[in-house]
Amino acid sequence: DVVMTQSPLSLPVTLGQPASISCRSSQSLLYSDGNTYLHWYQQRPGQSPRRLIYKVSNRDSGVPDRFSGSGSGTDFTLKISRVEAEDVGLYYCMQGRHWPHTFGQGTKLEIK
Amino acid sequence: EVQLVESGGDLVQPGGSLRLSCTASGFNFGYYSMNWVRQAPGKGLEWISYISYSSSSIHYADSVKGRFTISRDNAKDSLYLQMIGLRDEDTAVYYCARDGDGDCDHWGQGTLVIVSS
Repeated sequence: DVVMTQSPLSLPVTLGQPASISCRSSQSLLYSDGNTYLHWYQQRPGQSPRRLIYKVSNRDSGVPDRFSGSGSGTDFTLKISRVEAEDVGLYYCMQGRHWPHTFGQGTKLEIK
Repeated sequence: EVQLVESGGDLVQPGGSLRLSCTASGFNFGYYSMNWVRQAPGKGLEWISYISYSSSSIHYADSVKGRFTISRDNAKDSLYLQMIGLRDEDTAVYYCARDGDGDCDHWGQGTLVIVSS
C-alpha cells in the first residue's frame, strides 16, 4: 500500500502567521492521464471532513484563498498564508492514484 | 446541494453483523462512484471501500476485505456497506463520501458503529 507521511503531526501557530504541512507518498501519485491524485482535507472539531484542495493545487469552492497546495510526484505541501481561528482542526492528505486509497496520519493545527 | 445521510450504526457484539446505508440527494447519484471512509475514536481517517457508478469496479482496504461488502442501488439513490465478522477494531464513525475523481469530494455526517460485548 502507498504510505502517506505527514509532518508535522502537531502544528501550533500564532494567529495571522503562516503555516505549512508536508505530505510525502511512498510512490509517485502521477497518473498517465497527466493528473496527480493528491488531495487535502480539513476536519474541524466535531465535524465531518471536507475537501479543501484536489489534485495538488485546485481549491474547492468556498475555500479561502489563503489555502494553497503545491508539489509533484511524491512530495506535497499545504500552506495557509495567514492562520485564522476557524482554521483550527485536523488536516489530512489523501492519495487517490493507487488502490487502496490511503490517508496521511493527520496534522493537528492549533492556535498558540 | 449535495447531501449524504448515513444510517444503520449501532452497538453490536464481536462477531456480529451490521448493514450501513447512505442516502444521497442533490445530485445524480447514478453518475458518481462512491466511497466509505471510517474514523476510529480519536484516530485518523481510514479509506475502506469504493464502488464505481455502475458497480463494475469495487475495491477494499485489506483491513475489511472478505468481511465487508459494498453495494449500491441507483434506483434508490443509496449506498450500502454490509459488515460481518465485526471486531473491536471496527469501532468507528463510518462516512460515505462521493467520489469526485479519485477522491472524496462530499461527505456525510457519519454513523457510529460500536463493537463491544
